[in-house]
Amino acid sequence: QKEVEQDPGPLSVPEGAIVSLNCTYSNSAFQYFMWYRQYSRKGPELLMYTYSSGNKEDGRFTAQVDKSSKYISLFIRDSQPSDSATYLCATPAGGFKTIFGAGTRLFVKA
Amino acid sequence: GAVVSQHPSWVICKSGTSVKIECRSLDFQATTMFWYRQFPKQSLMLMATSNEGSKATYEQGVEKDKFLINHASLTLSTLTVTSAHPEDSSFYICSAIAGEGSGTDTQYFGPGTRLTVL
Repeated sequence: QKEVEQDPGPLSVPEGAIVSLNCTYSNSAFQYFMWYRQYSRKGPELLMYTYSSGNKEDGRFTAQVDKSSKYISLFIRDSQPSDSATYLCATPAGGFKTIFGAGTRLFVKA
Repeated sequence: GAVVSQHPSWVICKSGTSVKIECRSLDFQATTMFWYRQFPKQSLMLMATSNEGSKATYEQGVEKDKFLINHASLTLSTLTVTSAHPEDSSFYICSAIAGEGSGTDTQYFGPGTRLTVL
């Protein structure tokens, strides 16, 4: 079992839709979670991070952590074609290492 | 925000030749840099971690004699793919952190280098 599981998609939605991107993790010791966005042929960029259960909001993006079920989510409201990218969840794995999910490819159709 | 650059952005080389990829932190000093490899539609695979002035730490299964990493300064790390073969063709991405090395330090990623070995 991978330590961080993420459905690679692709996920295709119409413009304006609410998008839900999800990951599960296996190690209950993980405390800190990040979401990265990666456009095609580019490096990932940090979108948001959370350090506890509950929600964290930043503009159209909301990150949610449910530690009881080991489930993390990223919601995108009013999705735009410019949101089309691959979204990766990640968590520190000790020392300098970071464990990344496989990434979910999102397509937002105009 | 912190910026990391990579050069070149893409390179095509013949089988058997060596290719050097540079990773620079432009506006901060990077205590640690990372090299990742990414295959199409797959996630990032950590290859090695490098600290300025010391030998890189390679992940299991990564050949250190094939993928030479030099972290010569706090703003520059290089990855040299030696005797490249077609199976080395991939997207190579570096990242850098500026902090003291806690697990929550933000990694700033470069734009990646696409290597194609003919």
